Amino acid sequence: DAKTTQPNSMESNEEEPVHLPCNHSTISGTDYIHWYRQLPSQGPEYVIHGLTSNVNNRMASLAIAEDRKSSTLILHRATLRDAAVYYCILRPHNNNDMRFGAGTRLTVKP
Amino acid sequence: DAGVIQSPRHEVTEMGQEVTLRCKPISGHDYLFWYRQTMMRGLELLIYFNNNVPIDDSGMPEDRFSAKMPNASFSTLKIQPSEPRDSAVYFCASSYGNTIYFGEGSWLTVV
Repeated sequence: DAKTTQPNSMESNEEEPVHLPCNHSTISGTDYIHWYRQLPSQGPEYVIHGLTSNVNNRMASLAIAEDRKSSTLILHRATLRDAAVYYCILRPHNNNDMRFGAGTRLTVKP
Repeated sequence: DAGVIQSPRHEVTEMGQEVTLRCKPISGHDYLFWYRQTMMRGLELLIYFNNNVPIDDSGMPEDRFSAKMPNASFSTLKIQPSEPRDSAVYFCASSYGNTIYFGEGSWLTVV
């Protein structure tokens, strides 16, 4: 199974950008890169996903390396409500098998 | 839409008792997932269904666990008999396309 590696924790200051890295050196050519986050006492929620090109949505941006062996989730202006565990997951193109790793716990300081 | 609905939200039960967790997926979704989350093991995929058919149950811990999806709007996860090590948050999730939507979880404590 393709796996991802993320730092256990990161800190950010409120209203500053945050770059959350993810390494996935064994990614296959058809795996999608998904990001979810889990706020305290809630279920995970979808953030963004991509295949090869960088992606933007209202929540975040996803920057994918040219060789696809790493990606970075970018929160442009962190708020206190962005404090959560962020998960980087590889999803095979032909099924919805989504397995979560340990993720990165993001702390946002006022 | 009401989102994925799970019940009960909280349950405390005694070791050896049967536990049934219930899930109503989002209408129109064709995938349904059961996850378990603990501090020690993180978020584990237990089983998932596509169009009510179990696709992969390799994450189900042992024979004490069983999951069913009798129709597109209902699924159950049953633990019989329950043990203290089954204490966890159990999440149900559903999807149609790329995004998985999670319920708020069922917090199970087995004493």
